[in-house]
Amino acid sequence: DAGVTQSPTHLIKTRGQQVTLRCSPKSGHDTVSWYQQALGQGPQFIFQYYEEEERQRGNFPDRFSGHQFPNYSSELNVNALLLGDSALYLCASSFPGGTGELFFGEGSRLTVL
Amino acid sequence: KNQVEQSPQSLIILEGKNCTLQCNYTVSPFSNLRWYKQDTGRGPVSLTIMTFSENTKSNGRYTATLDADTKQSSLHITASQLSDSASYICVVRWGGSYIPTFGRGTSLIVHP
Repeated sequence: DAGVTQSPTHLIKTRGQQVTLRCSPKSGHDTVSWYQQALGQGPQFIFQYYEEEERQRGNFPDRFSGHQFPNYSSELNVNALLLGDSALYLCASSFPGGTGELFFGEGSRLTVL
Repeated sequence: KNQVEQSPQSLIILEGKNCTLQCNYTVSPFSNLRWYKQDTGRGPVSLTIMTFSENTKSNGRYTATLDADTKQSSLHITASQLSDSASYICVVRWGGSYIPTFGRGTSLIVHP
């Protein structure tokens, strides 16, 4: 059973560019959350998708947008990249009910030059 | 405001020694608390979950405690190993929200 998979694992962009990160949730999971983790910091919640809708959003600007597909996979898009967007972007999936355990992918390391 | 505070921010210990990490929260109403371990450059992995009625729970050399009255939790690591070097993140889930609150984590370095 594959866990949460993310792609790409590493990428380098320049300021002003746009980036798309992808996530496939763990089998049986229908909810996907995205987190941004700067070096030495805890993960910061970006948004959560459930039933192809953004269910909740953290304190991130509109440059950050997302999508969830019918197969529950998800994308995170960031427009007009800033140097401060350099971080590890983590995707986490979870299933209905239960204790809310988050299953994380390995992350996508974004560097903005 | 729901907050989770962890201490210390970082910790260096020698292999074989024990250590205790702390987590204080102001989340209400409390649902559960998890400790996650995050190896460098990897995603966090759940170590243990504590619910309101649980005081202590062990997972191998990891023992978590919860005091719901004082809203404090600790993670005790016994006989540390080099592989314990990681960030340990306290995550608290509260009723009425789909989104848990994360602490900033404690960075643990175990030296040989």
